[in-house]
Amino acid sequence: DVKVTQSSRYLVKRTGEKVFLECVQDMDHENMFWYRQDPGLGLRLIYFSYDVKMKEKGDIPEGYSVSREKKERFSLILESASTNQTSMYLCASSQDRGQETQYFGPGTRLLVL
Amino acid sequence: GQNIDQPTEMTATEGAIVQINCTYQTSGFNGLFWYQQHAGEAPTFLSYNVLDGLEEKGRFSSFLSRSKGYSYLLLKELQMKDSASYLCAASTGANNLFFGTGTRLTVIP
Repeated sequence: DVKVTQSSRYLVKRTGEKVFLECVQDMDHENMFWYRQDPGLGLRLIYFSYDVKMKEKGDIPEGYSVSREKKERFSLILESASTNQTSMYLCASSQDRGQETQYFGPGTRLLVL
Repeated sequence: GQNIDQPTEMTATEGAIVQINCTYQTSGFNGLFWYQQHAGEAPTFLSYNVLDGLEEKGRFSSFLSRSKGYSYLLLKELQMKDSASYLCAASTGANNLFFGTGTRLTVIP
């Protein structure tokens, strides 16, 4: 079974803080993704990565950065958290070579005060 | 631009059949995914259609018409545990998915 884990289920941070969200997958997947999910807006892609040290912007990258130093780990960084970044953050991974099914972690619900 | 439309909410009775529709317009298209998401949990994979037609998997079936930009998810013999959001997502190429906003299904006794 594919397993994608995220470092926290719930986080509360203050405006201006630097926030790290960690994601680890144990299936040797090449591709990893970060989404945020908001009511009425669905899942929106923030960043994705096809390989170690590679990253690509998704649809809403502003205010975020990512890091992929190891194949199994993909980190999302909020350099200076703002209240409009309060959201559910979901990490996903998928194999390469035409297998596009994405497997999701349990999500991190972030509240920025 | 890219767009996926699916109903926001649906209600159906336990034991009944429900069809959740999805229409899509994307700049690239490889296939159509359906995911199930229970409240507070991660989305889980249900089905993936690449070719036109109906694919059946137990109580769940999914249909795709590429020429019409249309898909549906069919749930038979509804159970209370089927109450969840159902997300339609188009594979737009290069391993990326574009998601709809989801349909929240409530199953009532």
